[in-house]
Amino acid sequence: GAGVSQSPRYKVAKRGQDVALRCDPISGHVSLFWYQQALGQGPEFLTYFQNEAQLDKSGLPSDRFFAERPEGSVSTLKIQRTQQEDSAVYLCASSPLPGLGPSGANVLTFGAGSRLTVL
Amino acid sequence: QKEVEQNSGPLSVPEGAIASLNCTYSDRGSQSFFWYRQYSGKSPELIMFIYSNGDKEDGRFTAQLNKASQYVSLLIRDSQPSDSATYLCAVKGRGSTLGRLYFGRGTQLTVWP
Repeated sequence: GAGVSQSPRYKVAKRGQDVALRCDPISGHVSLFWYQQALGQGPEFLTYFQNEAQLDKSGLPSDRFFAERPEGSVSTLKIQRTQQEDSAVYLCASSPLPGLGPSGANVLTFGAGSRLTVL
Repeated sequence: QKEVEQNSGPLSVPEGAIASLNCTYSDRGSQSFFWYRQYSGKSPELIMFIYSNGDKEDGRFTAQLNKASQYVSLLIRDSQPSDSATYLCAVKGRGSTLGRLYFGRGTQLTVWP
């Protein structure tokens, strides 16, 4: 696709519900990142995929958060038993090469984000 | 201590003025530095990246990096109302071979006509 596509754009969940957020990266992009952006804050890293392999999940805040990218393209971020503190915008980003090059030239393209509100 | 610090502002400048945005970082071994612009309700978009000490210019934008002072800045010349947005500083850390970026909380810039 022309850009990184995320769905749903807006999601309202009751506390305790499970949610799934989808990211469709730019076609052929090797790297896929998930970031969480709380209101008034900068994005915080959640996890990184290189093709289908999840190489870094150190940013996932708890075991309620799970991400997958089974075929190396579309990725899903799942949040189980949502809590109010999970309310944020979840940003997906992709880049054409593994990670970021030493010069940073392999830059990230972000999707529009999925805004999750937990009541 | 947060990895990346930015003055959250808001910063307000008149049209045509120079806007100066500043960022400090804690990891002395950080390698690459990025400035993203984020309009309200939109996703971040990359404006510039820099990895060598000194200045890097691209049109009306100049990024400045001083690794000794652990400081990076963004200058916007001839500011336009369309530049009004939140500017995010992001840093790729020394150990971040996979590309994890650390973002500041952003500086909100308003350019008034």
